[in-house]
Amino acid sequence: NAGVTQTPKFRVLKTGQSMTLLCAQDMNHEYMYWYRQDPGMGLRLIHYSVGEGTTAKGEVPDGYNVSRLKKQNFLLGLESAAPSQTSVYFCASSYSDRGNVLTFGAGSRLTVL
Amino acid sequence: AQSVTQPDIHITVSEGASLELRCNYSYGATPYLFWYVQSPGQGLQLLLKYFSGDTLVQGIKGFEAEFKRSQSSFNLRKPSVHWSDAAEYFCAVNSGYSTLTFGKGTMLLVSP
Repeated sequence: NAGVTQTPKFRVLKTGQSMTLLCAQDMNHEYMYWYRQDPGMGLRLIHYSVGEGTTAKGEVPDGYNVSRLKKQNFLLGLESAAPSQTSVYFCASSYSDRGNVLTFGAGSRLTVL
Repeated sequence: AQSVTQPDIHITVSEGASLELRCNYSYGATPYLFWYVQSPGQGLQLLLKYFSGDTLVQGIKGFEAEFKRSQSSFNLRKPSVHWSDAAEYFCAVNSGYSTLTFGKGTMLLVSP
């Protein structure tokens, strides 16, 4: 049982480049989330999805886009990367919003030079 | 809006000593409360959760937490800390929205 899988695990970008982080879950969860983790800031929600074909903004959505074309996948895109987007990104999923027990991926470390 | 405060950024505890990590939340009604743990280089793992009922909840790895409505707190405790407990601990709250709000975390260091 893979749970939540994030790819890639590491990536280095130059300022202005674009990239996509992929999150895949095999638990048939409805809800999926993208968080970023920065030292001393905890986890901050970027975007989330409450079902296939839906997306919504979280606390820090600027500079990111997302898509949920298939229920099992949630993509996070950076159209023009900035050094401020250097962070560790975590994807999570949950069966419902009631109680919201999240299953997390292992994280993707992104460095923007 | 829901918010979570973890007052301690770092805590150092001797191996075998007891542990208490503090968490305070802001929300009018009773929220859903969680503690997650993150080992270095890993994702977050659920330790325990409180939804309703008994205010003392048991979790994995010997951890427990007590919900105190009057103090808006959900402190995490363990009677005897092991070196493998060294990690970062996050308190989180869900107060009816579709998302969790996390605290900034407390880093636990365990000394020999």
